[in-house]
Amino acid sequence: GAVVSQHPSRVICKSGTSVKIECRSLDFQATTMFWYRQFPKKSLMLMATSNEGSKATYEQGVEKDKFLINHASLTLSTLTVTSAHPEDSSFYICSARDARLADEQFFGPGTRLTVL
Amino acid sequence: AQSVTQLGSHVSVSEGALVLLRCNYSSSVPPYLFWYVQYPNQGLQLLLKYTTGATLVKGINGFEAEFKKSETSFHLTKPSAHMSDAAEYFCAPPLNTGNQFYFGTGTSLTVIP
Repeated sequence: GAVVSQHPSRVICKSGTSVKIECRSLDFQATTMFWYRQFPKKSLMLMATSNEGSKATYEQGVEKDKFLINHASLTLSTLTVTSAHPEDSSFYICSARDARLADEQFFGPGTRLTVL
Repeated sequence: AQSVTQLGSHVSVSEGALVLLRCNYSSSVPPYLFWYVQYPNQGLQLLLKYTTGATLVKGINGFEAEFKKSETSFHLTKPSAHMSDAAEYFCAPPLNTGNQFYFGTGTSLTVIP
């Protein structure tokens, strides 16, 4: 089946530093990848949609300069949280859309970010 | 805008009892729907999906859901709850041409021994 990995699974950083999270589709080509943020006891909030080779599309209220997304290949998308602050602490989940299964997305295991 | 609505953010059932998690979708949603399960500190795992064909869909771990167009519902059920079913469950529409994807707000299932 379609497998999506995320790295790291957990990261702790100091306030003001930047953190990069990788999302990889391991056995399929992902034309589109999605980045979500999940707050405790809340649903998933779609942050942005990234298409390979083009700029990401951000949802309303998501700061583009704060959350940098790069989708350089059909198997890799990265989310960089720049100048992280404690309020950025959250669970970040990526998903990938397989071009052959247009209606479905496959999720990574998530990355727990804690900003001190 | 939310295209699916999950009624009940928290559901508690006794072990062995019927599990019923409700999901209603807006009429604008194409007839493709998904249920995902999320265990603590993990990503989402597909439980089942309805695309075409039989409206009663069977998924993993004994779960099933019935697509009812007349009621615009896609409720998730399991005849007998197990302790390992305790998790967060999300109903979701398909990806549309605009690449927007909105999950239901989720239902937290607690199984009481």
